[in-house]
Amino acid sequence: GEDVEQSLFLSVREGDSSVINCTYTDSSSTYLYWYKQEPGAGLQLLTYIFSNMDMKQDQRLTVLLNKKDKHLSLRIADTQTGDSAIYFCAESPTTSGTYKYIFGTGTRLKVLA
Amino acid sequence: EPEVTQTPSHQVTQMGQEVILRCVPISNHLYFYWYRQILGQKVEFLVSFYNNEISEKSEIFDDQFSVERPDGSNFTLKIRSTKLEDSAMYFCASKDRGYYEQYFGPGTRLTVT
Repeated sequence: GEDVEQSLFLSVREGDSSVINCTYTDSSSTYLYWYKQEPGAGLQLLTYIFSNMDMKQDQRLTVLLNKKDKHLSLRIADTQTGDSAIYFCAESPTTSGTYKYIFGTGTRLKVLA
Repeated sequence: EPEVTQTPSHQVTQMGQEVILRCVPISNHLYFYWYRQILGQKVEFLVSFYNNEISEKSEIFDDQFSVERPDGSNFTLKIRSTKLEDSAMYFCASKDRGYYEQYFGPGTRLTVT
């Protein structure tokens, strides 16, 4: 069945780059998403990529996809204290007619000043 | 910017009681979802709703759960007789036709005592 895995914690210094990793198992075409959750807030969509792409860049965010290994990463350049949050990876197989999401556990990013 | 809203933000109830969690999706969206996150665990899909009917439900979504779109704006999740293990954060999401990304509300924290 489908599964999405993430590491639980990441700590970086302000100004450094952060790389948050995710692996997924679904073998069909899929959309892959990154969401950010700040304390007390909902899930904010950051970016997404389709599984036939290798990379997507959006300002400080870069998504890299290794299709062979089913490995997705989110790189945040020049990480700021405001980037401290939980980051969720999610996939939405196109074979799912309902477009439901399968989430990872979330990675808690802590940015040290 | 349009957003998904959820009420209440926190609900405390006694075991065996009925609860209704409310969501107002983004107004022109047609696909609606409920997810839940038990503390420390993954965000899990519960149910999807389209064209006034359930389009998919997970194993978690048993007979104790029901969803309804009672009017043109609200989308509700009812738990008929709550159990301790229903304690979780419940997220509502909505999606527009022709797009894949879902927009999430801030969640309702349900505590069953």
